Amino acid sequence: NAGVTQTPKFRILKIGQSMTLQCTQDMNHNYMYWYRQDPGMGLKLIYYSVGAGITDKGEVPNGYNVSRSTTEDFPLRLELAAPSQTSVYFCASSYSRAGAAGELFFGEGSRLTVL
Amino acid sequence: DQQVKQNSPSLSVQEGRISILNCDYTNSMFDYFLWYKKYPAEGPTFLISISSIKDKNEDGRFTVFLNKSAKHLSLHIVPSQPGDSAVYFCAASAWRSSGDKLTFGTGTRLAVRP
Repeated sequence: NAGVTQTPKFRILKIGQSMTLQCTQDMNHNYMYWYRQDPGMGLKLIYYSVGAGITDKGEVPNGYNVSRSTTEDFPLRLELAAPSQTSVYFCASSYSRAGAAGELFFGEGSRLTVL
Repeated sequence: DQQVKQNSPSLSVQEGRISILNCDYTNSMFDYFLWYKKYPAEGPTFLISISSIKDKNEDGRFTVFLNKSAKHLSLHIVPSQPGDSAVYFCAASAWRSSGDKLTFGTGTRLAVRP
């Protein structure tokens, strides 16, 4: 059982470039999330989705876009990469609402460096 | 504004002894709390949770205590094992009002010495 799969695991971008972090889950979860973790900081929610076709902003959405065309996939798009977006990105999914006994299942993370 | 705080960035404990990891929160609307464990180069994994209607939840070697009046929760690991060495994140949600989102603390790195 693959769970939550993120690609790529590592990426170096130049300032101003764009890229998409891919996330797919095979657990048929309705809820999906994108977090970023900066050194010494907790995980900050970027965007989340409660089902196909529905997305909403989290705490730190600026500079990112998401889409949710299927239950399985939740890609995160970085437009015009900036050094402040250097971080480790985690995709997660849950069967029910996070915190309502809906534990999150995380991917292994994608380390992004913007130079 | 850090609504979930883990004030100890690191903790070192002897194998077999108790590990106590602490977490404080400021948002009185939080009513569900979780602990996640994270190994290097892996995503966090769920460990244990507690609802605000309880003050204790136990799962094997792991027990979470909640003190609502103090807005404080703690994770006890007894006995500690070297495999418990990881970063532990406390997380909270106000699930009745905004239960789609978890707020995470900054993490505590636990090292269990053999």
